Amino acid sequence: EEQLVESGGGLAQPGGSLRLSCAASGFTFKTYAMTWVRQAPGKGLEWVSSISGSGSSTYYGDSVKGRFTISRDNSGNTLYLQMNSLRDEDTAIYYCAKGESGNYFYGMDVWGQGTTVIVSS
Amino acid sequence: QTVVTQEPSLTVSPGGTVTLTCASSTGAVTSGFYPNWFQQKPGQAPRALIYSISKKHSWTPARFSGSLLGDKAALTLSGVQPEDEAEYYCLLYYGGALVFGGGTKLTVL
Repeated sequence: EEQLVESGGGLAQPGGSLRLSCAASGFTFKTYAMTWVRQAPGKGLEWVSSISGSGSSTYYGDSVKGRFTISRDNSGNTLYLQMNSLRDEDTAIYYCAKGESGNYFYGMDVWGQGTTVIVSS
Repeated sequence: QTVVTQEPSLTVSPGGTVTLTCASSTGAVTSGFYPNWFQQKPGQAPRALIYSISKKHSWTPARFSGSLLGDKAALTLSGVQPEDEAEYYCLLYYGGALVFGGGTKLTVL
């Protein structure tokens, strides 16, 4: 069974940092693009970032560009999101999602249950 | 700024048919936007339903179908079930960025 489990969420101060992880199992991790999507309280889904299967190509939404970094460890089947210079508006549930193929723009199929990030002083 | 527009809310009777649409502020939605559709129920993670306009995942019920309708992407539910009550989001690709629609709250009444 294909599965994604996020971790690393929590409370951070404005201007602070957090690192999210997403442990993947049940599929050949390096073959698929991976994506982070977030959802602010009571709001819709927002694309955050995507990464190719090899990790050589990365893509970011405008709201996080220059502050967040996506990466992956294909030997450990883990996806990461390093979040720096956090703002109140980064408060959200962060989901990792498996790409439907090696190309991130095909969309996502399997989703994790999410990890909650709260940015507050 | 690119905006993807969905109907904020729709209501359908059990057993009925309903079509949700997904429009782009840049113009017509075509195959190059690789439209995706997701279902989200309260307190749950999103679940993928449709990718590349009309392709279904192995778990997608047969009553869900995707298409291009005029200049929009569309998700049609035929023979709606009570468990289909949920928020539905479309996702479009803009040559480097992915953009979600604002979501459609589907009520089955």
